[in-house]
Amino acid sequence: KAGVTQTPRYLIKTRGQQVTLSCSPISGHRSVSWYQQTPGQGLQFLFEYFSETQRNKGNFPGRFSGRQFSNSRSEMNVSTLELGDSALYLCASSFVAASYGYTFGSGTRLTVV
Amino acid sequence: SQQGEEDPQALSIQEGENATMNCSYKTSINNLQWYRQNSGRGLVHLILIRSNEREKHSGRLRVTLDTSKKSSSLLITASRAADTASYFCATDETGTQGGSEKLVFGKGTKLTVNP
Repeated sequence: KAGVTQTPRYLIKTRGQQVTLSCSPISGHRSVSWYQQTPGQGLQFLFEYFSETQRNKGNFPGRFSGRQFSNSRSEMNVSTLELGDSALYLCASSFVAASYGYTFGSGTRLTVV
Repeated sequence: SQQGEEDPQALSIQEGENATMNCSYKTSINNLQWYRQNSGRGLVHLILIRSNEREKHSGRLRVTLDTSKKSSSLLITASRAADTASYFCATDETGTQGGSEKLVFGKGTKLTVNP
């Protein structure tokens, strides 16, 4: 079966711009989580969605937002980009919840200049 | 916040040798998971061990869990150059909204297997 698909793979944006990242989970998986990975902070949890509802949110500013559609596809948006937002953004899907184990996408590498 | 902390941060061994990575965590958990990440790519789920289990095997992988010491170890036997990657432990954490969960990852152990 198809894995978790993240688009785009690479993105270069300018400070102050906004960006939208997309994630298509494995078919049948209803939980989608987003993580930010940086060399300094490691993997930081952003948010988790299940059946179009945000169930959990990490400690990120309101510039970071997300949503999930009825087909379980998810998007995350970052507004007013800052240099520190440069990171690898990873999407992970699970059948029900993280306790069952994640399947990760390959990530979107965002560079803010 | 970091829950799991891996030790060592980096490990370099020769092909055929065994590699052992350790993970310590702070709070009570339902389960602990290990993931592998090849450079700049997504993470791959390796193994999940529940809090009532003490040891689990999967191929060349052996995971142990000691809930009294809040620690886990991942052993890779007969390592291969293809095992070169970063390895992360992750613990589940109940979210603020009832029933939802997230995983909290450590900073990882970077394993290099030399041919």
